[in-house]
Amino acid sequence: SQQGEEDPQALSIQEGENATMNCSYKTSINNLQWYRQNSGRGLVHLILIRSNEREKHSGRLRVTLDTSKKSSSLLITASRAADTASYFCATGTNAGGTSYGKLTFGQGTILTVHP
Amino acid sequence: DGGITQSPKYLFRKEGQNVTLSCEQNLNHDAMYWYRQDPGQGLRLIYYSQIVNDFQKGDIAEGYSVSREKKESFPLTVTSAQKNPTAFYLCASSIYGGTALSYNEQFFGPGTRLTVL
Repeated sequence: SQQGEEDPQALSIQEGENATMNCSYKTSINNLQWYRQNSGRGLVHLILIRSNEREKHSGRLRVTLDTSKKSSSLLITASRAADTASYFCATGTNAGGTSYGKLTFGQGTILTVHP
Repeated sequence: DGGITQSPKYLFRKEGQNVTLSCEQNLNHDAMYWYRQDPGQGLRLIYYSQIVNDFQKGDIAEGYSVSREKKESFPLTVTSAQKNPTAFYLCASSIYGGTALSYNEQFFGPGTRLTVL
């Protein structure tokens, strides 16, 4: 089963509004990453937050991580039509004391920003 | 330009045929990955490789095979044993495949859409 579960599955907003997407996971992680995918394309890395961090910013993106609740949120401020895409969270874990660079992806949130 | 390429972009296969999807990177990354994405779904890991001449099964390896003879290349063969191969296949790489390395971001290719006729 997927480690990360995004909520909502789909989000439709107007340009200029903020978009918030949530991700919950089940097992302990050492980091959580967010990726973006435009329709029919590959994924693009947005931001990484480590398990000992609580908040991280990158441009219009703000990511929070609450390890006690096993959840993360991605906030996109002042959204633009070009932000229309699917957004995935991915969790990284240690496996048997070593990490192999494996990530487990959630099912994604489809964001539509209307001009 | 550095990056990761996949070919072909679209691939059609008849039932019972094996097909090979190409993935090449010139980022000098150690680790490479193959994922499968079905409509409205997230990515599921098929195989991954931390270093040349080494690879491990992911979550859905049955019906697939890989090789890693060169650092820059990680081809995926979809065999006739894969019963439902129609999907979007994504290749990715990350700089390092050793310990503590799920911290690395993964760089993705543009994908290959495979359709079984």
